[in-house]
Amino acid sequence: DIVLTQTPLSSPVTLGQPASFSCRSSQSLGDTDGSAYLSWLQQRPGQPPRVLIYKTSNRFSGVPDRFSGSGAGTDFTLHISRVEAEDVGVYYCMQATQFPRSITFGQGTRLEIK
Amino acid sequence: QVQLVQSGAEVKKPGASVKVSCRASGYTFTNSYMHWVRQAPGQGLEWMGTINPNINGRSYAQKFQGRITMTSDSSTSTVYMELSGLRPEDTAVYFCARDRGSTRTLEHPYCFDYWGQGTLVTVSS
Repeated sequence: DIVLTQTPLSSPVTLGQPASFSCRSSQSLGDTDGSAYLSWLQQRPGQPPRVLIYKTSNRFSGVPDRFSGSGAGTDFTLHISRVEAEDVGVYYCMQATQFPRSITFGQGTRLEIK
Repeated sequence: QVQLVQSGAEVKKPGASVKVSCRASGYTFTNSYMHWVRQAPGQGLEWMGTINPNINGRSYAQKFQGRITMTSDSSTSTVYMELSGLRPEDTAVYFCARDRGSTRTLEHPYCFDYWGQGTLVTVSS
């Protein structure tokens, strides 16, 4: 199965500053920009996850435009242009390229406010 | 609006089975895949499997093969996930999540756009 490795595991960020999280795949998820079935999800404490980005770079409806995604092949990144207090939580990348054999998640990156 | 409402918390003994339901509303039930994802206490997310309610097709993670059964009931817009042979390490919150991909065109699943509230299953003797 495809393994997704996220870095860092924890990210202390100052309010108003940018943040970026990396997700590296053990196999290529798609070589054309935007073609990979790679999503980013946010999970706030005590809540179900919610999707922020799908297919590498598509922002889900209602997601603030300070969130953006990029990448191709095996390297993907979630960018937050200016961190706000409500962004605290754990961010997961997820691949569905290997469906139906598998769908896998990264281990998560915890965003906290410095 | 799309809503997924799951059944309540369960406490089970090792070796027992649990059946969790997820009732959907706000969209055409058979047009979307439904996934099941679990999260052990303090841990990350784990995909368990996917059901296509349009054709009753299922895909299960290899880890759960032989222990998991997913079913759907179009008359009540409900999907079910049954896990047998429970062990303490199955203690987790279980989520259903709809996929934006269309089952009508057999579109590749690509976006878990709505999630249920989660069901805590505790396995303990």
